[in-house]
Amino acid sequence: SQTIHQWPATLVQPVGSPLSLECTVEGTSNPNLYWYRQAAGRGLQLLFYSVGIGQISSEVPQNLSASRPQDRQFILSSKKLLLSDSGFYLCAWTRGGLYNEQYFGPGTRLTVT
Amino acid sequence: AQRVTQPEKLLSVFKGAPVELKCNYSYSGSPELFWYVQYSRQRLQLLLRHISRESIKGFTADLNKGETSFHLKKPFAQEEDSAMYYCALGKSSGNTPLVFGKGTRLSVIA
Repeated sequence: SQTIHQWPATLVQPVGSPLSLECTVEGTSNPNLYWYRQAAGRGLQLLFYSVGIGQISSEVPQNLSASRPQDRQFILSSKKLLLSDSGFYLCAWTRGGLYNEQYFGPGTRLTVT
Repeated sequence: AQRVTQPEKLLSVFKGAPVELKCNYSYSGSPELFWYVQYSRQRLQLLLRHISRESIKGFTADLNKGETSFHLKKPFAQEEDSAMYYCALGKSSGNTPLVFGKGTRLSVIA
């Protein structure tokens, strides 16, 4: 069966520090991968998605970037965190093709101080 | 552009009362609709999809193309139904992201 992992589960970082959040999927190949930020009252904001290695689409211009160095690995990064980057970050995957169902990871709670 | 609207941020109902979580969408093509649920301290998970036409945990949702709606319903709410519910819209091709509504928090009062 397929599983999706995210780490770390929680993270507290000072303003101006770098960020790296990792997401990996097991049990499938060539998944579509997604990064979301979840905020109360604002729902799920799509940040990035990828349909293959090295292919990244950015939905919202901001202080974050994403990379996909391997087929089942998706990384969310920042060179210098802002206070506004605090939030709950979710990674998700889908089979792609005709399949739209997305499966979500447990999330990372990021607090920028 | 595709859009999903969930007009209620919070919905409170008494245990045993009927529940209806509203969802309206905007899309010119053939939509694929989903409901996702997030219980406290659990990950976001798929509740049901319109193609399956199934009932999950007593919930059903019917796609009404005329009204562009996909409301989630349950005849008798249970306390364990308290959660955050998101409606999502997908295109017929799976290589584009789902569009999510802003969510409705359902609170079932004992």
